Order: sequence, then structure tokens, then C-alpha cells
Amino acid sequence: GAVVSQHPSWVICKSGTSVKIECRSLDFQATTMFWYRQFPKQSLMLMATSNEGSKATYEQGVEKDKFLINHASLTLSTLTVTSAHPEDSSFYICSASSEQWISGNTIYFGEGSWLTVV
Amino acid sequence: GDSVTQMEGPVTLSEEAFLTINCTYTATGYPSLFWYVQYPGEGLQLLLKATKADDKGSNKGFEATYRKETTSFHLEKGSVQVSDSAVYFCALSARDDKIIFGKGTRLHILP
Repeated sequence: GAVVSQHPSWVICKSGTSVKIECRSLDFQATTMFWYRQFPKQSLMLMATSNEGSKATYEQGVEKDKFLINHASLTLSTLTVTSAHPEDSSFYICSASSEQWISGNTIYFGEGSWLTVV
Repeated sequence: GDSVTQMEGPVTLSEEAFLTINCTYTATGYPSLFWYVQYPGEGLQLLLKATKADDKGSNKGFEATYRKETTSFHLEKGSVQVSDSAVYFCALSARDDKIIFGKGTRLHILP
């Protein structure tokens, strides 16, 4: 089946630095990718919707200048956390869709990335 | 706004026990409802879905029925196995292709 690869799985960075997380669709072309963030004991929160070749659409309250999303190809979307702070420490997960999602079975998820900012 | 509420875990059961994980939702319009499962070390996988009222989704022995009158989509399985140990997420998709998840329920099955 379709696979979405997310890298790195774990990353520790120093406060003030930037870190990039990649989301790749391995065997299909993902026209749309979603980035989620999970806070402890809370549900996944949609951060932004990324469409290939266009600017990402950010959810209300998500700082677009802090969470840079690039979807330069049909198989790769990246999330860059700029000037990271400890409060950015979280679990980030991406999902990818090859077509408009109606039935729900065309969404595939990555394994997620744990970010710890020290 | 739209939201999903599911029972908090962890839920611990013995093998072959009956499982119910409750899920209720709030949404405008007529959302599609889903159960996702995340096994250790893996990404979320779609377990089952229902797109309209009274639909029953089923897969791998799990079932859930879309109850509009009670705005619920409870997950059930008649006889659980150790391999069912995972985190289960109830979710809805109402508009704009956005999926809204519940907090997740961790399930432990003891042999």
C-alpha cells in the first residue's frame, strides 16, 4: 500500500535554531499534504494544508513565519520550525492525499516526528 | 466548532473480551466519521469509516455505526486479541477536507 515517510523520527535542537522535518510520499503523488501537531493529552491539531506548487494554507493561530511549509514537488513537503523554542517541543505528523479526500481511504499518515527543543 | 470526544484511556482488557470505545461528535452539516488506529512504531491507519447516518463501518472484526440521533460513532469488537493493542482515534471530516481527531484511546490487551 501507499507509504508516507517522515524524517527525522526524533530530533533534539537548541533553542533559537531551526529544524526541518520532511514528509515524503513514497509510491504515489501527493497533491495535498497536511501537517498536524499533537500536544500531550490533546488531539492532533491541524497546522496547515500544503498543496503542491502553491502556498500553504495555515490554520488560525498558527504562525506562518515560524512554521515554514514548502511543498515543492508531488512527493515532498517540508516543515521548518524557525527559531525554535522549548514550547515548540511536540509531536508533528504529516499526512498525504493523492486526490480530494472524500471517502477517507486516500489519506496516508507518516509516523510522526518528535521534536524536543532544549 | 466541530469536535470529537472519545473516552480517555488507557483501556486494559483480557484477550477475548468485548471492547467498546465511545466516541461522540459535534459538527455542522453531515460529517463523515472515521476510526483510525496507530500501532506502535507505525503511522495512523484508517480502520473503518461511515459517511452517512445509520451506515455501519467494519474491518478486522471492529464495527462502528453512525448514529446521528445521538451524534455517536462507538467502536466495538466482540473478541479482542493481543495484536489489537494500539491507540485508537475517532475522527470526523466535515468540510474543507479537514480531519478532526479525538484525543485517542490507548488499548492494552492482556494475554
